[in-house]
Amino acid sequence: GENVEQHPSTLSVQEGDSAVIKCTYSDSASNYFPWYKQELGKRPQLIIDIRSNVGEKKDQRIAVTLNKTAKHFSLHITETQPEDSAVYFCAASIRTSGGSNYKLTFGKGTLLTVNP
Amino acid sequence: DAGITQSPRHKVTETGTPVTLRCHQTENHRYMYWYRQDPGHGLRLIHYSYGVKDTDKGEVSDGYSVSRSKTEDFLLTLESATSSQTSVYFCAISGRGGWGETQYFGPGTRLLVL
Repeated sequence: GENVEQHPSTLSVQEGDSAVIKCTYSDSASNYFPWYKQELGKRPQLIIDIRSNVGEKKDQRIAVTLNKTAKHFSLHITETQPEDSAVYFCAASIRTSGGSNYKLTFGKGTLLTVNP
Repeated sequence: DAGITQSPRHKVTETGTPVTLRCHQTENHRYMYWYRQDPGHGLRLIHYSYGVKDTDKGEVSDGYSVSRSKTEDFLLTLESATSSQTSVYFCAISGRGGWGETQYFGPGTRLLVL
């Protein structure tokens, strides 16, 4: 099955700096890559996603890049703010056979701390 | 939050007792999922459903069963709870428009098995 590796496991930055989280996946059939943010005690919430036919996607201070050849994708957060502090999860998704359903495999998460 | 609720939100039980967790959605999404979240493991898929009475196993399905008798409800049952099943359980839904890509998570259930 799919295997997703995520690095680093913890990341500490100063407010205003950029943060980069990287993930690799094993199955070349994976074609959808979402990123979730999870604040302490809360549910994971989707912040951005990218499909395999796109190399980069931006949404304000957040961007995701995908390199299909190398099978890795990254989350970039610019001008970090204290409220960006959370655990971030990457995931890779494979469409299940015969359907329009997607099964997600998650990385183990990155704890991002933004220091004021 | 995509109209997903989970019940109970917290539960303490003893080893060997059966436990059922409920996920309820009001968004008419076709697909529903159960995950468990443990420190150092991220989110791992237990079971999922692609329609009423249609379910399949995820990567950590041993010791769990599921049922979906109607679109809005997906039940997760631990037939005989063990301490290794202490975890936070999240339900997720996807596929209102037919495509099951984006998954939306419920608020979670914290389960402690003593």
